[in-house]
Amino acid sequence: NAGVMQNPRHLVRRRGQEARLRCSPMKGHSHVYWYRQLPEEGLKFMVYLQKENIIDESGMPKERFSAEFPKEGPSILRIQQVVRGDSAAYFCASSRLGGANQPQHFGDGTRLSIL
Amino acid sequence: GIQVEQSPPDLILQEGANSTLRCNFSDSVNNLQWFHQNPWGQLINLFYIPSGTKQNGRLSATTVATERYSLLYISSSQTTDSGVYFCAVDVRFGAGTRLTVKP
Repeated sequence: NAGVMQNPRHLVRRRGQEARLRCSPMKGHSHVYWYRQLPEEGLKFMVYLQKENIIDESGMPKERFSAEFPKEGPSILRIQQVVRGDSAAYFCASSRLGGANQPQHFGDGTRLSIL
Repeated sequence: GIQVEQSPPDLILQEGANSTLRCNFSDSVNNLQWFHQNPWGQLINLFYIPSGTKQNGRLSATTVATERYSLLYISSSQTTDSGVYFCAVDVRFGAGTRLTVKP
């Protein structure tokens, strides 16, 4: 009865490197959401994906950030050329069906630190 | 987009006390959830409650969708209840209520 699995739990990168964060949704869930939490703040929505489709990316920064949810395998949040301001906790959530009227289940997050 | 406001921002209680946390939102909702973020950063699902009342042990929640608010009640608080409580409406999170329960 595995929940939402995120890895790695902690990731350290130097400025200019790439960061890849992975999220495996709960069994039977085909909708994935990514959020970012800066220190001492709430969670900010980034992107909502269904298998092979981006449904809503209104919260994604215009540059350096991308997300995918392939037919096979986990969802990936990719950050290119990381900067200090990207340091944050990144949470993934999944739901069984899409739309706003479904509960979301969260993973434990990936803590990204930029040196 | 939907605005979500939580109050109070901070709350300090003595162990055993009761508390009420409030979440106001600016538009009609299909999805409202309460979460507890513990000191280790994990987000714990408390309630999925777009309307009505639910109870789970010492915690209960009520959402009055027509008046655009939700309440989370914590009774007989324990030190393990400490952390930040978030209300989320669709994909919008409030700023949270930071609860500290002192022994």
